[in-house]
Amino acid sequence: GENVEQHPSTLSVQEGDSAVIKCTYSDSASNYFPWYKQELGKRPQLIIDIRSNVGEKKDQRIAVTLNKTAKHFSLHITETQPEDSAVYFCAASENSGGYQKVTFGIGTKLQVIP
Amino acid sequence: NAGVTQTPKFQVLKTGQSMTLQCAQDMNHNSMYWYRQDPGMGLRLIYYSASEGTTDKGEVPNGYNVSRLNKREFSLRLESAAPSQTSVYFCASSEIYGGEAFFGQGTRLTVV
Repeated sequence: GENVEQHPSTLSVQEGDSAVIKCTYSDSASNYFPWYKQELGKRPQLIIDIRSNVGEKKDQRIAVTLNKTAKHFSLHITETQPEDSAVYFCAASENSGGYQKVTFGIGTKLQVIP
Repeated sequence: NAGVTQTPKFQVLKTGQSMTLQCAQDMNHNSMYWYRQDPGMGLRLIYYSASEGTTDKGEVPNGYNVSRLNKREFSLRLESAAPSQTSVYFCASSEIYGGEAFFGQGTRLTVV
């Protein structure tokens, strides 16, 4: 089955600096890579995603890059703000038997220090 | 538009008790999922339902059962709760062929 590794597990940055979270996956059949943000005590919510036919996607201060050959993808947050503090999960997904099989990484706790 | 709604939000059980977590979605999604979230272990899939009338085991199904009551509702049952089942449980739904998974607000379950 798919295995998703995510690092670092914790990350502290100064407000205004950039943050990078990296993930690797094992199954070359995975074709959809979402990133979820989970604020303390709340549900995970999608912040950005990328499909396997795209190498990079950007949405304001966040961007995701995908290297299919190396089987790794990364989340980049620029100009970090205190409200970016949360746990971020990467995931790798493939269509399997008529459903979306999703495997999550263990999460990265990001702390933005004002 | 409520999205995914799960109940209850909090529950304390004694070892051996049973309970059912309820989940409903109003987005007409075909696929629904139950995850558990434990510190340092991310989100692990317990059971999923690819479409109405089907259910399958995920990564950690032992000790749980599920029912896809109709297209909207997907329940998770603990027949005999154990302390190892203390966790935060999330229900989610999505379209069949990829795309965003929408999560419920979570149920914090403590088994004593």
